[in-house]
Amino acid sequence: KQEVTQIPAALSVPEGENLVLNCSFTDSAIYNLQWFRQDPGKGLTSLLLIQSSQREQTSGRLNASLDKSSGRSTLYIAASQPGDSATYLCATYSGGGADGLTFGKGTHLIIQP
Amino acid sequence: GAGVSQTPSNKVTEKGKYVELRCDPISGHTALYWYRQSLGQGPEFLIYFQGTGAADDSGLPNDRFFAVRPEGSVSTLKIQRTERGDSAVYLCASSPGASGRWEYEQYFGPGTRLTVT
Repeated sequence: KQEVTQIPAALSVPEGENLVLNCSFTDSAIYNLQWFRQDPGKGLTSLLLIQSSQREQTSGRLNASLDKSSGRSTLYIAASQPGDSATYLCATYSGGGADGLTFGKGTHLIIQP
Repeated sequence: GAGVSQTPSNKVTEKGKYVELRCDPISGHTALYWYRQSLGQGPEFLIYFQGTGAADDSGLPNDRFFAVRPEGSVSTLKIQRTERGDSAVYLCASSPGASGRWEYEQYFGPGTRLTVT
């Protein structure tokens, strides 16, 4: 059974810093990995989707990498802003009888103005 | 265009009662998913629909939980004889694809917060 772990559980940094959020998974047989952000009391907003054949995806100040063989993904946020404050979740999709996403518990990020 | 919508946004019910939670997916999305998120946890998969049929219900915790999608669009999650442990946020997501569905992102609704007293 797939297990997804996110480190750190919480992170507080001053505005303007570059930062890295980590995600690891136990079963490397995934089809894709997706990063989400969740604001308090809200649903999930998709940030980036990386297919298993890809190494990274970029969107604006966000860059996500995937190393399937080692079971790791990182989300890099450049020049952080207070509006980036949220919980960031990573999730893997394995398919083949496990049709839902498997999520980590998330990293709660606070960007201090 | 319109995103995934869920109603109600909040539902408070007494232990033992029956509840229905509704999900309206993005128009044209054939795949629909239900998840449950407890406080401080990531969402947990409950059930996946492809069209009208439940293609994977392996995440449903027990037979008190049931979901339908009779016309391949709107879905309803039904919980019988609710228990306090059912209190959570119930999230719905949709995505475009059937074959090759792993190529597509899942788009989530705002969720229904269920509180069982």
